[in-house]
Amino acid sequence: EAGVAQSPRYKIIEKRQSVAFWCNPISGHATLYWYQQILGQGPKLLIQFQNNGVVDDSQLPKDRFSAERLKGVDSTLKIQPAKLEDSAVYLCATEDRVSRETQYFGPGTRLLVL
Amino acid sequence: AQSVTQLDSHVSVSEGTPVLLRCNYSSSYSPSLFWYVQHPNKGLQLLLKYTSAATLVKGINGFEAEFKKSETSFHLTKPSAHMSDAAEYFCVVSDDNQGGKLIFGQGTELSVKP
Repeated sequence: EAGVAQSPRYKIIEKRQSVAFWCNPISGHATLYWYQQILGQGPKLLIQFQNNGVVDDSQLPKDRFSAERLKGVDSTLKIQPAKLEDSAVYLCATEDRVSRETQYFGPGTRLLVL
Repeated sequence: AQSVTQLDSHVSVSEGTPVLLRCNYSSSYSPSLFWYVQHPNKGLQLLLKYTSAATLVKGINGFEAEFKKSETSFHLTKPSAHMSDAAEYFCVVSDDNQGGKLIFGQGTELSVKP
């Protein structure tokens, strides 16, 4: 089966600019997660969707970050305006919550804010 | 709150010698525990998971981990290291009471010398 797809793979922007990341989940996976992985640290959950509804966004900096999952399939994560400390890898993961198998991760988008 | 502590930020072994990556967890409930591996510029891959069945869990590529409730540990081992095992390893606990989000440790970088 096809894995989790993410784009772009790399992005370089200047601070105060905006940026958007895209995630396409494994077919049939209703649960989708966005994680932020800062260099040298483990991934940290930003937001969790179940279908097109938000389950947990307690760790999402809502003054600058936003995410949506229209139609319960693809998802986008946006940062506006970006700060230097947003430099990180942004990982998308999806899960079939019915079978509770495991979370499958995409390759990530590496963001550098200058 | 659930958490994991990886006791070593970096482990170096020689090819053909045993691997031990240490992980302690903190959980108020019966936890689900995982080990993920991350090769450079690649996505996170599940090595193995513990979900309250057998305490000795076998994973891919010859890795295994033992759940020890009395010690709150979930150490990862492999009898003989291969050069291809060089990567970052993450110990992870799942908070099943909060939608199943994954809580990652800080990671252990494994180096394998020829």
